[in-house]
Amino acid sequence: ETGVTQTPRHLVMGMTNKKSLKCEQHLGHNAMYWYKQSAKKPLELMFVYNFKEQTENNSVPSRFSPECPNSSHLFLHLHTLQPEDSALYLCASSQDRGSAVANEQFFGPGTRLTVL
Amino acid sequence: DAKTTQPNSMESNEEEPVHLPCNHSTISGTDYIHWYRQLPSQGPEYVIHGLTSNVNNRMASLAIAEDRKSSTLILHRATLRDAAVYYCILGVNSGGSNYKLTFGKGTLLTVNP
Repeated sequence: ETGVTQTPRHLVMGMTNKKSLKCEQHLGHNAMYWYKQSAKKPLELMFVYNFKEQTENNSVPSRFSPECPNSSHLFLHLHTLQPEDSALYLCASSQDRGSAVANEQFFGPGTRLTVL
Repeated sequence: DAKTTQPNSMESNEEEPVHLPCNHSTISGTDYIHWYRQLPSQGPEYVIHGLTSNVNNRMASLAIAEDRKSSTLILHRATLRDAAVYYCILGVNSGGSNYKLTFGKGTLLTVNP
């Protein structure tokens, strides 16, 4: 595997379910990101981890819970979601967050989430 | 957040050059200009970035105005595979190791055969 991978690619869940999205990067990067892309809206940055520490949480509801056990893996745990949370969830990684060059972000293909 | 303005959509013909404009009149001296693109059903991918001088790479060229308040992404020969949403983004370092990119709505480029 190369680049940034995300699983699953598609997920349908009910509002009472608990599920997790997984992201893995094979690039040796130290920063990882979760973005949300809703229909006809710009990408919204949700969370950022730099060297396994969360450095940014953009007022994301607590029903989304990120986890970064190491620099290569990032999870997004989901529970009691709402239908308006249906979106494409994208993971990205970069060398780190300290400069323009180091911040070139590599994105995964995304997980298409539908909440019923 | 530092703001950019792009046309909602543009059209071009295959094998012709494409010039995608971006206005960023509030850019500060240390903000880099980044371009990403998102092909259908894929995550965004990096295209190019620059600070003051024009930049070239295998994908595109970036022409930056002398006052840095606007820039243009140039695809020298558009192909059907270049049809995508192109995002012009200002990279802002808000202190320490906290470099940030904020995506806007971008320009939807259609390439006609």
